[in-house]
This record gives sequence, C-alpha cells and structure tokens, in this order.
Amino acid sequence: QKEVEQDPGPLSVPEGAIVSLNCTYSNSAFQYFMWYRQYSRKGPELLMYTYSSGNKEDGRFTAQVDKSSKYISLFIRDSQPSDSATYLCAMGDLEGATNKLIFGTGTLLAVQP
Amino acid sequence: EAGVTQFPSHSVIEKGQTVTLRCDPISGHDNLYWYRRVMGKEIKFLLHFVKESKQDESGMPNNRFLAERTGGTYSTLKVQPAELEDSGVYFCASSQDQWETQYFGPGTRLLVL
Repeated sequence: QKEVEQDPGPLSVPEGAIVSLNCTYSNSAFQYFMWYRQYSRKGPELLMYTYSSGNKEDGRFTAQVDKSSKYISLFIRDSQPSDSATYLCAMGDLEGATNKLIFGTGTLLAVQP
Repeated sequence: EAGVTQFPSHSVIEKGQTVTLRCDPISGHDNLYWYRRVMGKEIKFLLHFVKESKQDESGMPNNRFLAERTGGTYSTLKVQPAELEDSGVYFCASSQDQWETQYFGPGTRLLVL
C-alpha cells in the first residue's frame, strides 16, 4: 500500500470553476503537508505548506488538512487556464534524520478557457 | 538569484552504459536532495546531502547508483551500468536549512534503451 494516495486524473474544468484536489495518507507520523505545482517539463514548485490541521489560505488557493482522517485537500477558486498543471501533494515527518518528502502521484488539471 | 540547475536536461543511453547527472543547488544551500520519478509512479526520494556528507541514502535503489558532492557545492549522480528500469526523471532539490522549503530543479530526463 502506498503511503500517499492521489487520484491521477486528468481533471478538466471550465475557467472560473472551483477545483478540489485531494490526497489521503496512511502514516500518522506525517506532520507537515505541502502542495506543489508542476508545469510540463519543469520541476515542482511549492504552492502551499502547512503543519497543522485546519485551513490555510493564500489568494485563490486554500489548503485543508484533516489529520484525524489522514486527508488533505487543495482548493482553487476562480480557476484560470494558467492553473493547468500537475498538482502534487507531499508530506513528511519531523522525527527522522532527514527531511525527505513523500509524494503522491500527482493530479493533472486542465482548465478550459 | 539563480534557481536549482540540472545538466543535462535529457539523456538517451543504451543499457550497460554509464551516465552522470549534475545538480547545482541554489547558492548557499547546504542541503541537497535527489529524487526520481519513473513513468507512472510518484516522485521518490533517493538521498540527502548536508554539505558534502550523506545524511540519508536510504532511497538509493542499488549499488549501481553513486552520488557525490565534493566540496559541498554541486552534486553528481552516476548510474553505472544503466538498466532499462533506470529510465525516468531525476530531480534535484536544495534547501538552506534541513526543515525549510525544498526548491526543485527542472529535472534530467533519462531514457535507457
């Protein structure tokens, strides 16, 4: 069983839609959670970073973490064609010797103009 | 400020050959990570350097992979001899402190024929 599960999509939405992207995880030791965005032929770029359960908002993006359910989400409001990319969830724990990130497989999002 | 750079961007080699990938981290970043994504799978951690020392190499697949970071600046990842299953995208990331944001390079796309 993978430590992090993420629906690979693809997910196609019209411009202006609200997008919901999700990941579940099995390791209760995970304490911090990230969302990366990856455009084609580029490296992952950090979008959101959170340690705690609850919501964190940054512009059109909201990250939500529910540690009791081992479930994290990324919401994109008023989606734009420029949001078309692969979205990767990643997580890690603070107890190990290294800050290695555990990634989901990524969800491919296409926002249609 | 220049980001993480990787060279080459693409490499096509035959099974049994040797390939060396290079990563230049962001200047001043002591922490350097290598990750790999094979087709259809998630990005997976390979190893972590702190300056020139290997902090964690638990993700290295086997002894055909050798990573070095002489002088604590750039790093190389050598695959010798390459096998078909080594094909994928190799990402390098760096961070200033271990628990801070990891900035990813664009990746090296390796194809072993």
